[in-house]
Amino acid sequence: QKEVEQNSGPLSVPEGAIASLNCTYSDRGSQSFFWYRQYSGKSPELIMFIYSNGDKEDGRFTAQLNKASQYVSLLIRDSQPSDSATYLCAVGVGAGGTSYGKLTFGQGTILTVHP
Amino acid sequence: KAGVTQTPRYLIKTRGQQVTLSCSPISGHRSVSWYQQTPGQGLQFLFEYFSETQRNKGNFPGRFSGRQFSNSRSEMNVSTLELGDSALYLCASSWGRARGTEAFFGQGTRLTVV
Repeated sequence: QKEVEQNSGPLSVPEGAIASLNCTYSDRGSQSFFWYRQYSGKSPELIMFIYSNGDKEDGRFTAQLNKASQYVSLLIRDSQPSDSATYLCAVGVGAGGTSYGKLTFGQGTILTVHP
Repeated sequence: KAGVTQTPRYLIKTRGQQVTLSCSPISGHRSVSWYQQTPGQGLQFLFEYFSETQRNKGNFPGRFSGRQFSNSRSEMNVSTLELGDSALYLCASSWGRARGTEAFFGQGTRLTVV
């Protein structure tokens, strides 16, 4: 079993729809959760982070965390063609600075938003 | 505020050579982590430095090494290059303490080994 698994994709949604990206993790000690967006040929860009159970909203993005189910998701509302990218889920073990810089990444989900 | 800066952006090296990559973190950040990204393996953690000390290391051979300087800048070295070392090498910086572990990536160094 992979440590961090994402829905395999690719995911295609029409412009204006909600895109739902999912991620599960195996280490129950994980305490920090991140979503990165990576455009082709570019480096990953941090778009959301969440540490506590529940929802966290930032503009069109909502991150959801359920530690009991070891599940984290990202919702993108009103999807735009510019959201087309690979979305990477990353998990850190340990709170605060104790994860010592190590993030474990999923393999990524390719999202395409078509006009 | 300047972001994470990696140099060089592109490198072509021959098998058996060694290479040094550089990373300057966001001002104030004391943690620098290095990752290797390949199409087959995705993003894999190499190591992390905080205040000039390596705190964590991934599952890479000893040919991969790094260091951090007192100004938090970091270098990564790969010796005896192999074809399989061709990859995008990314560094990420963060505060590294309870203030926040959010990591921000540089543009990366694309290494090609021929």
